[in-house]
Amino acid sequence: SAVISQKPSRDICQRGTSLTIQCQVDSQVTMMFWYRQQPGQSLTLIATANQGSEATYESGFVIDKFPISRPNLTFSTLTVSNMSPEDSSIYLCSVVAGRETQYFGPGTRLLVL
Amino acid sequence: SQQGEEDPQALSIQEGENATMNCSYKTSINNLQWYRQNSGRGLVHLILIRSNEREKHSGRLRVTLDTSKKSSSLLITASRAADTASYFCATDDTGTASKLTFGTGTRLQVTL
Repeated sequence: SAVISQKPSRDICQRGTSLTIQCQVDSQVTMMFWYRQQPGQSLTLIATANQGSEATYESGFVIDKFPISRPNLTFSTLTVSNMSPEDSSIYLCSVVAGRETQYFGPGTRLLVL
Repeated sequence: SQQGEEDPQALSIQEGENATMNCSYKTSINNLQWYRQNSGRGLVHLILIRSNEREKHSGRLRVTLDTSKKSSSLLITASRAADTASYFCATDDTGTASKLTFGTGTRLQVTL
Protein backbone atom coordinates (compact mmCIF):
# COMPACT_ATOMS: atom_id res chain seq x y z
CA SER A 1 0.00 0.00 0.00
CA ALA A 2 0.96 3.67 0.04
CA VAL A 3 0.46 6.51 2.47
CA ILE A 4 -0.68 9.68 0.75
CA SER A 5 -1.08 13.16 2.18
CA GLN A 6 -2.71 16.19 0.62
CA LYS A 7 -2.49 19.88 1.41
CA PRO A 8 -4.63 21.79 2.08
CA SER A 9 -7.31 19.53 3.51
CA ARG A 10 -9.91 22.19 2.76
CA ASP A 11 -10.13 25.75 1.56
CA ILE A 12 -12.63 28.47 0.81
CA CYS A 13 -11.68 30.62 -2.15
CA GLN A 14 -13.02 33.59 -4.05
CA ARG A 15 -14.03 33.22 -7.66
CA GLY A 16 -11.35 34.18 -10.14
CA THR A 17 -8.50 33.05 -7.92
CA SER A 18 -6.38 29.90 -8.20
CA LEU A 19 -5.55 27.18 -5.69
CA THR A 20 -2.68 24.71 -5.80
CA ILE A 21 -3.17 21.35 -4.13
CA GLN A 22 -0.20 19.24 -3.13
CA CYS A 23 -0.01 15.46 -3.03
CA GLN A 24 2.85 13.65 -1.28
CA VAL A 25 3.41 9.88 -1.29
CA ASP A 26 5.60 7.97 1.14
CA SER A 27 7.22 5.88 -1.60
CA GLN A 28 8.18 6.25 -5.23
CA VAL A 29 5.31 5.45 -7.57
CA THR A 30 5.07 5.49 -11.32
CA MET A 31 1.42 6.29 -11.75
CA MET A 32 -0.31 9.17 -9.99
CA PHE A 33 -3.77 10.49 -10.73
CA TRP A 34 -6.01 13.44 -9.93
CA TYR A 35 -9.77 13.08 -9.51
CA ARG A 36 -12.64 15.44 -8.93
CA GLN A 37 -15.71 14.55 -6.92
CA GLN A 38 -18.52 17.05 -7.24
CA PRO A 39 -21.05 17.28 -4.39
CA GLY A 40 -23.03 14.06 -4.07
CA GLN A 41 -21.37 12.57 -7.14
CA SER A 42 -18.91 9.83 -7.96
CA LEU A 43 -15.27 10.32 -8.89
CA THR A 44 -14.21 11.64 -12.27
CA LEU A 45 -10.62 11.31 -13.45
CA ILE A 46 -9.08 14.66 -14.34
CA ALA A 47 -5.65 13.55 -15.50
CA THR A 48 -2.72 11.22 -15.09
CA ALA A 49 0.32 13.01 -13.70
CA ASN A 50 3.41 11.84 -15.57
CA GLN A 51 6.86 12.30 -14.11
CA GLY A 52 9.09 14.26 -16.43
CA SER A 53 6.44 14.98 -19.03
CA GLU A 54 3.13 16.71 -19.47
CA ALA A 55 0.07 15.29 -17.75
CA THR A 56 -2.45 13.28 -19.75
CA TYR A 57 -5.88 14.89 -19.48
CA GLU A 58 -9.26 13.20 -19.78
CA SER A 59 -11.99 14.47 -22.02
CA GLY A 60 -13.50 17.64 -20.64
CA PHE A 61 -10.41 18.72 -18.71
CA VAL A 62 -7.72 21.04 -20.07
CA ILE A 63 -4.26 22.05 -18.97
CA ASP A 64 -5.06 25.76 -18.80
CA LYS A 65 -7.73 25.12 -16.20
CA PHE A 66 -6.00 22.31 -14.29
CA PRO A 67 -2.23 22.59 -14.68
CA ILE A 68 -0.40 19.68 -13.09
CA SER A 69 3.21 19.28 -12.06
CA ARG A 70 5.04 16.06 -11.27
CA PRO A 71 8.64 16.94 -10.46
CA ASN A 72 9.52 13.53 -9.00
CA LEU A 73 8.10 10.11 -8.19
CA THR A 74 6.68 11.07 -4.79
CA PHE A 75 5.07 14.47 -5.36
CA SER A 76 2.54 16.19 -7.57
CA THR A 77 0.50 19.36 -7.59
CA LEU A 78 -2.83 20.22 -9.16
CA THR A 79 -3.81 23.84 -9.66
CA VAL A 80 -7.43 24.83 -10.08
CA SER A 81 -7.24 28.08 -12.06
CA ASN A 82 -9.62 31.00 -12.38
CA MET A 83 -12.08 29.31 -10.09
CA SER A 84 -15.84 29.55 -10.26
CA PRO A 85 -18.47 28.12 -7.89
CA GLU A 86 -18.81 25.14 -10.24
CA ASP A 87 -15.29 24.12 -9.21
CA SER A 88 -16.47 23.46 -5.67
CA SER A 89 -15.60 19.80 -5.21
CA ILE A 90 -13.38 17.36 -3.42
CA TYR A 91 -10.10 16.88 -5.27
CA LEU A 92 -8.30 13.60 -4.67
CA CYS A 93 -4.96 12.29 -5.73
CA SER A 94 -4.26 8.60 -6.02
CA VAL A 95 -1.38 6.30 -6.84
CA VAL A 96 -1.02 2.76 -8.05
CA ALA A 97 0.77 0.51 -5.61
CA GLY A 98 0.92 -3.26 -5.69
CA ARG A 99 0.25 -3.33 -9.42
CA GLU A 100 -3.53 -3.55 -9.44
CA THR A 101 -4.79 -1.16 -6.79
CA GLN A 102 -5.18 2.58 -6.58
CA TYR A 103 -4.75 4.16 -3.16
CA PHE A 104 -6.23 7.53 -2.44
CA GLY A 105 -5.24 10.56 -0.47
CA PRO A 106 -7.60 12.12 2.09
CA GLY A 107 -8.85 14.68 -0.41
CA THR A 108 -8.99 18.46 -0.54
CA ARG A 109 -12.42 19.97 -0.04
CA LEU A 110 -12.75 23.18 -2.03
CA LEU A 111 -15.55 25.71 -1.76
CA VAL A 112 -15.58 28.60 -4.22
CA LEU A 113 -17.69 31.59 -3.35
CA SER B 1 -18.51 5.22 -20.80
CA GLN B 2 -18.81 2.15 -18.70
CA GLN B 3 -19.50 3.93 -15.45
CA GLY B 4 -21.04 1.43 -13.10
CA GLU B 5 -24.50 1.80 -11.77
CA GLU B 6 -24.93 0.99 -8.13
CA ASP B 7 -28.07 0.18 -6.30
CA PRO B 8 -29.52 1.05 -4.06
CA GLN B 9 -28.44 4.69 -4.10
CA ALA B 10 -29.07 4.82 -0.38
CA LEU B 11 -29.55 2.13 2.24
CA SER B 12 -30.51 2.49 5.89
CA ILE B 13 -30.24 -0.47 8.25
CA GLN B 14 -29.91 -1.16 11.93
CA GLU B 15 -26.72 -2.26 13.59
CA GLY B 16 -26.28 -6.01 13.39
CA GLU B 17 -28.14 -6.38 10.12
CA ASN B 18 -26.49 -7.28 6.83
CA ALA B 19 -26.09 -4.72 4.03
CA THR B 20 -25.97 -5.67 0.36
CA MET B 21 -24.94 -3.29 -2.39
CA ASN B 22 -24.94 -4.06 -6.08
CA CYS B 23 -22.86 -2.76 -8.97
CA SER B 24 -23.45 -3.24 -12.67
CA TYR B 25 -21.09 -2.32 -15.47
CA LYS B 26 -21.16 -2.31 -19.23
CA THR B 27 -18.04 -3.81 -20.81
CA SER B 28 -15.41 -6.48 -20.15
CA ILE B 29 -13.21 -5.96 -17.14
CA ASN B 30 -9.95 -7.28 -15.74
CA ASN B 31 -10.96 -6.73 -12.14
CA LEU B 32 -13.44 -4.90 -9.98
CA GLN B 33 -12.66 -3.09 -6.77
CA TRP B 34 -14.75 -1.79 -3.90
CA TYR B 35 -13.95 1.37 -1.98
CA ARG B 36 -15.41 3.08 1.09
CA GLN B 37 -15.61 6.82 1.58
CA ASN B 38 -16.43 8.32 4.96
CA SER B 39 -18.24 11.64 4.84
CA GLY B 40 -16.41 13.41 2.01
CA ARG B 41 -12.96 12.14 2.84
CA GLY B 42 -10.55 10.00 0.83
CA LEU B 43 -11.38 6.55 -0.45
CA VAL B 44 -10.31 3.44 1.40
CA HIS B 45 -9.65 0.34 -0.68
CA LEU B 46 -11.70 -2.60 0.59
CA ILE B 47 -11.31 -5.53 -1.75
CA LEU B 48 -10.35 -6.48 -5.30
CA ILE B 49 -11.90 -9.34 -7.22
CA ARG B 50 -10.46 -10.48 -10.53
CA SER B 51 -12.55 -11.41 -13.54
CA ASN B 52 -11.75 -15.11 -13.11
CA GLU B 53 -12.94 -15.11 -9.49
CA ARG B 54 -16.53 -15.51 -8.41
CA GLU B 55 -16.38 -14.76 -4.70
CA LYS B 56 -13.98 -13.23 -2.24
CA HIS B 57 -14.04 -12.65 1.50
CA SER B 58 -12.29 -10.19 3.76
CA GLY B 59 -13.40 -10.09 7.38
CA ARG B 60 -17.08 -9.11 7.40
CA LEU B 61 -17.01 -8.33 3.68
CA ARG B 62 -18.08 -10.71 0.96
CA VAL B 63 -17.85 -9.76 -2.69
CA THR B 64 -19.28 -11.69 -5.60
CA LEU B 65 -18.70 -11.18 -9.30
CA ASP B 66 -20.85 -12.43 -12.15
CA THR B 67 -19.14 -11.55 -15.41
CA SER B 68 -21.96 -13.03 -17.48
CA LYS B 69 -24.35 -10.51 -15.93
CA LYS B 70 -21.69 -7.82 -15.62
CA SER B 71 -22.52 -7.32 -11.98
CA SER B 72 -20.97 -7.48 -8.55
CA SER B 73 -22.31 -7.34 -5.04
CA LEU B 74 -20.79 -6.29 -1.74
CA LEU B 75 -22.20 -7.82 1.42
CA ILE B 76 -21.33 -6.40 4.83
CA THR B 77 -22.37 -8.78 7.57
CA ALA B 78 -23.22 -7.81 11.14
CA SER B 79 -23.05 -4.12 10.31
CA ARG B 80 -21.80 -1.53 12.80
CA ALA B 81 -22.41 2.18 13.10
CA ALA B 82 -18.81 2.70 11.94
CA ASP B 83 -19.74 1.13 8.60
CA THR B 84 -21.78 4.25 7.80
CA ALA B 85 -20.19 5.57 4.61
CA SER B 86 -20.53 5.70 0.85
CA TYR B 87 -19.41 2.61 -1.04
CA PHE B 88 -18.16 2.70 -4.62
CA CYS B 89 -17.32 -0.01 -7.09
CA ALA B 90 -14.60 0.66 -9.64
CA THR B 91 -13.87 -1.37 -12.74
CA ASP B 92 -10.45 -1.83 -14.29
CA ASP B 93 -10.24 -3.10 -17.83
CA THR B 94 -6.46 -2.81 -18.07
CA GLY B 95 -5.29 -4.93 -15.15
CA THR B 96 -2.84 -2.23 -14.16
CA ALA B 97 -5.20 0.05 -12.22
CA SER B 98 -4.25 2.78 -14.65
CA LYS B 99 -7.82 3.53 -15.64
CA LEU B 100 -10.49 2.95 -13.03
CA THR B 101 -14.10 3.76 -13.78
CA PHE B 102 -16.17 4.44 -10.69
CA GLY B 103 -19.78 3.60 -10.07
CA THR B 104 -22.36 6.01 -8.79
CA GLY B 105 -22.05 4.84 -5.19
CA THR B 106 -24.33 3.62 -2.41
CA ARG B 107 -24.78 5.68 0.75
CA LEU B 108 -25.08 3.31 3.71
CA GLN B 109 -26.48 4.50 7.02
CA VAL B 110 -26.21 2.13 9.99
CA THR B 111 -28.24 3.19 12.99
CA LEU B 112 -27.99 1.99 16.56
